[in-house]
Amino acid sequence: GENVEQHPSTLSVQEGDSAVIKCTYSDSASNYFPWYKQELGKRPQLIIDIRSNVGEKKDQRIAVTLNKTAKHFSLHITETQPEDSAVYFCAAGGYQKVTFGIGTKLQVIP
Amino acid sequence: DTGVSQDPRHKITKRGQNVTFRCDPISEHNRLYWYRQTLGQGPEFLTYFQNEAQLEKSRLLSDRFSAERPKGSFSTLEIQRTEQGDSAMYLCASRSNELAGGSYEQYFGPGTRLTVT
Repeated sequence: GENVEQHPSTLSVQEGDSAVIKCTYSDSASNYFPWYKQELGKRPQLIIDIRSNVGEKKDQRIAVTLNKTAKHFSLHITETQPEDSAVYFCAAGGYQKVTFGIGTKLQVIP
Repeated sequence: DTGVSQDPRHKITKRGQNVTFRCDPISEHNRLYWYRQTLGQGPEFLTYFQNEAQLEKSRLLSDRFSAERPKGSFSTLEIQRTEQGDSAMYLCASRSNELAGGSYEQYFGPGTRLTVT
């Protein structure tokens, strides 16, 4: 089955700086890579996703890059704001299901 | 609010008791997933349904766990003879079969927090 590793487990950045979270996956058949944000006490919510026919996708301050050869993908958040503080999960899989990483707790310091 | 609801939101039970959780997905979603999440971990896949058919069950899921989706709408997850290690947040998610804009987005419910004493 798919195995997803995510790092770092915690990340602190100053407001306005960029944050980068990296994930690797094991199953070369995986073709769908979503990122979810989970605020304290709330449900995970999708913030961006990418499919394997695309190398990069951007949505305002958030971007995801994918390197299928190396089996890794990354989340980039620019101009971080305090409301970006949360736990971020990467996932990898396909049409049927995805496997989640353990999460990165991002703290944006005002 | 994503439109996925779960009941109850919290459950405290004694070791050895049976518990049942309910998930109501978004009405037009035919796929329904159950996950378990413990502190500091990501959602761990348990099982999923397409309509009323249970298509996959995690090997990590012991035979004390059973899930149903009898009419292809709501789903129940039952844990028999609960153990302290079952304490976790149980999340339900639903999604459409359709590929919407390239996304297989899963919409999560608020979860049921289970505490086994």
